Amino acid sequence: RKEVEQDPGPFNVPEGATVAFNCTYSNSASQSFFWYRQDCRKEPKLLMSVYSSGNEDGRFTAQLNRASQYISLLIRDSKLSDSATYLCVVGTGGFKTIFGAGTRLFVKA
Amino acid sequence: SAVISQKPSRDICQRGTSLTIQCQVDSQVTMMFWYRQQPGQSLTLIATANQGSEATYESGFVIDKFPISRPNLTFSTLTVSNMSPEDSSIYLCSVATSSSNEQFFGPGTRLTVL
Repeated sequence: RKEVEQDPGPFNVPEGATVAFNCTYSNSASQSFFWYRQDCRKEPKLLMSVYSSGNEDGRFTAQLNRASQYISLLIRDSKLSDSATYLCVVGTGGFKTIFGAGTRLFVKA
Repeated sequence: SAVISQKPSRDICQRGTSLTIQCQVDSQVTMMFWYRQQPGQSLTLIATANQGSEATYESGFVIDKFPISRPNLTFSTLTVSNMSPEDSSIYLCSVATSSSNEQFFGPGTRLTVL
């Protein structure tokens, strides 16, 4: 079992749709959680950190469920510019982080 | 967030040669890391670059193949030694500036080995 597993992609959605990504992690001692976005042929960029209480940034909402060991990312009112690969990242302590394989999202006009 | 640059941005190399990639940050950072991202894959951590001491390598990566330097808190190099086509990949450096584990990435170096 991979340490961090994500929904298989790609997701193809129309503009304006709501789309959700899930990610599970195997290490119950994991301490920090993030979603990164990676555009084609670009470096990953931090989208948002994920806190136990959940957090929202505009159209993006991230949630953490420690009991079930998964995190989620919800994107509302999808834009064409949201098309990218979304990486789930889990920190296991001491700056060590594990990246998921990523989920590709295509938003169509 | 820190501004991170990498040189070269891309290179095409012959097998058996070595390439040194530089990572420069515009401010002092606690942690610097080197990752590899092979085509269609996610990121794999190669090593943590430690200032003033030997890098800490992840399983499957060794110093002889990927020597790393970090002479100060703003600069690091990764050398890919005795390259083979399997080393063709994007190499990224990243930095972390706090205990929150948030990492920020350089633009990457796209390496092709013929």
